[in-house]
Amino acid sequence: DAKTTQPPSMDCAEGRAANLPCNHSTISGNEYVYWYRQIHSQGPQYIIHGLKNNETNEMASLIITEDRKSSTLILPHATLRDTAVYYCIVSLAGGTSYGKLTFGQGTILTVHP
Amino acid sequence: SQTIHQWPATLVQPVGSPLSLECTVEGTSNPNLYWYRQAAGRGLQLLFYSVGIGQISSEVPQNLSASRPQDRQFILSSKKLLLSDSGFYLCAWSIRGKRNTIYFGEGSWLTVV
Repeated sequence: DAKTTQPPSMDCAEGRAANLPCNHSTISGNEYVYWYRQIHSQGPQYIIHGLKNNETNEMASLIITEDRKSSTLILPHATLRDTAVYYCIVSLAGGTSYGKLTFGQGTILTVHP
Repeated sequence: SQTIHQWPATLVQPVGSPLSLECTVEGTSNPNLYWYRQAAGRGLQLLFYSVGIGQISSEVPQNLSASRPQDRQFILSSKKLLLSDSGFYLCAWSIRGKRNTIYFGEGSWLTVV
């Protein structure tokens, strides 16, 4: 799986949009970009994933650049409960890749009042 | 909606004692099931995955074993715990055919003393 690079930490004011960047310059054509987050002492929570088109769900939006070498997770209106470690993961969605998600160090997002 | 439960949430076990962590998934059929471990300060490590009853694949050699006696039940066991088995254990599931959109349980904290 391709490696990802994320900033170690970011701050965001409550109510504002949080934009979390991720670089994945070695991504291959059949690899998806996944985002998870982990609040302290809890299991990781799936947020969103995409291949090349931008995606949106009830939690967030995922913007993938045209060359697919980077992406941005957008939390449109951050709340204090969004404070967590956010992981950007690149992985195959099929083949023999069962559950092999490589969680790196992620970005610690702190939402403050 | 689908839910996943694992228990116990926390346990402290002496070295050499047995272990049994149990996980059940509700609201879905034929899920892929996973056991992960997250050691302190380290990433998430896939231990086992299962694509069906009685079908277990091990990702790393270790002191642990897994079993799937029923479609939505996954058990992690050990006959004799080691100090190095301490960590945060996570059960997870994915929809058959969507292998890496994985939904995690609440986790179980194991401390071996």
